[in-house]
Amino acid sequence: NAGVTQTPKFQVLKTGQSMTLQCAQDMNHNSMYWYRQDPGMGLRLIYYSASEGTTDKGEVPNGYNVSRLNKREFSLRLESAAPSQTSVYFCASSEEGSGRGETQYFGPGTRLLVL
Amino acid sequence: GNSVTQMEGPVTLSEEAFLTINCTYTATGYPSLFWYVQYPGEGLQLLLKATKADDKGSNKGFEATYRKETTSFHLEKGSVQVSDSAVYFCALFTGGFKTIFGAGTRLFVKA
Repeated sequence: NAGVTQTPKFQVLKTGQSMTLQCAQDMNHNSMYWYRQDPGMGLRLIYYSASEGTTDKGEVPNGYNVSRLNKREFSLRLESAAPSQTSVYFCASSEEGSGRGETQYFGPGTRLLVL
Repeated sequence: GNSVTQMEGPVTLSEEAFLTINCTYTATGYPSLFWYVQYPGEGLQLLLKATKADDKGSNKGFEATYRKETTSFHLEKGSVQVSDSAVYFCALFTGGFKTIFGAGTRLFVKA
């Protein structure tokens, strides 16, 4: 099992450009998440998908959109990148989808630099 | 609101030293508490968790006890190794799908 995979590993964008970060999991998990990690701030939730076909906003959704393409895949799109979106982005998944705080499994991250 | 506060790093220790990383929380109700670890270049992975007061989570020699009276979940290990060098995150779950992470504490262990 590969677990949670993310592409790309690293990306440089210019302000105003768009891009999509891809995430896939092979553990048959119901719930998936997108976080950003900034120095001194821990991880902050951008969007999550409790189950296939649903998505909801997290703590910092502005400037992002998501798509739960199927049970395996959950993508994050930046429509018009800004320097404030320079960060490391992590995708995660969890099994049950009950919202009871089960263990989350994280991908290796995408490091994004917006100039 | 709900929050997690953990000690600032970096923490630098010699091999075989005792480790404590402090974590306190503010929450309504009865949260579940977690410690995640992030090794260099990798995503976070669960280290241990506790779901109710007085529970002790343990894994790989690390322990943490859920103390409701002091709203704390401090991480301890009796003898650290160089391979324990990583960033450690305390996290809090109170309901829904939202986990609150602390800022992380970087640990360096010297041989």
